[in-house]
Amino acid sequence: NAGVTQTPKFQVLKTGQSMTLQCAQDMNHNSMYWYRQDPGMGLRLIYYSASEGTTDKGEVPNGYNVSRLNKREFSLRLESAAPSQTSVYFCASTQGTSNYGYTFGSGTRLTVV
Amino acid sequence: GENVEQHPSTLSVQEGDSAVIKCTYSDSASNYFPWYKQELGKGPQLIIDIRSNVGEKKDQRIAVTLNKTAKHFSLHITETQPEDSAVYFCAASKGGGSNYKLTFGKGTLLTVNP
Repeated sequence: NAGVTQTPKFQVLKTGQSMTLQCAQDMNHNSMYWYRQDPGMGLRLIYYSASEGTTDKGEVPNGYNVSRLNKREFSLRLESAAPSQTSVYFCASTQGTSNYGYTFGSGTRLTVV
Repeated sequence: GENVEQHPSTLSVQEGDSAVIKCTYSDSASNYFPWYKQELGKGPQLIIDIRSNVGEKKDQRIAVTLNKTAKHFSLHITETQPEDSAVYFCAASKGGGSNYKLTFGKGTLLTVNP
């Protein structure tokens, strides 16, 4: 049982380049989330998808877009990467109803130079 | 929106001692309070959670307490071991479905010295 799978694990981008971070879960969870983690800042919500077909902005959405491709997959896109987007990105999922626990992926470490 | 404050930011204890991490939240409607442990290079993992209708919950060496009136909750780890060394995050949320979003504290780096 893989849980939440994120790809890639590491990525270096040049300023202005674009890329998509992939996330897939195999637990039949309804809700999925993208967080970024920066030193001393904890985990901050970028975007989330409460259910298939819906997406909403979180605390720090600027510079990002998301797609809930199907129930399993939730991708995060950086259209024009900036050094301020250097961070570790985590995808998470939860059933979203009676079960409140999040399951996190192992993260994508992104560096923008 | 919800704001979660977590203290201390770093905590160093001797093996066998107890460790306590405290969090406060701002939204009185929050009703779910999980704690996550993050080991180096890994994603956070849920270790214990508590809901607003419960004042205390224990699971072996870890326990969480909740004071709804004061809007604070704490993680207690007894008989600490070197493998407890990690970053711990508290979080809070309210509701479920489309309202279900966790707001995290900034984390506590716990170091257990052998």
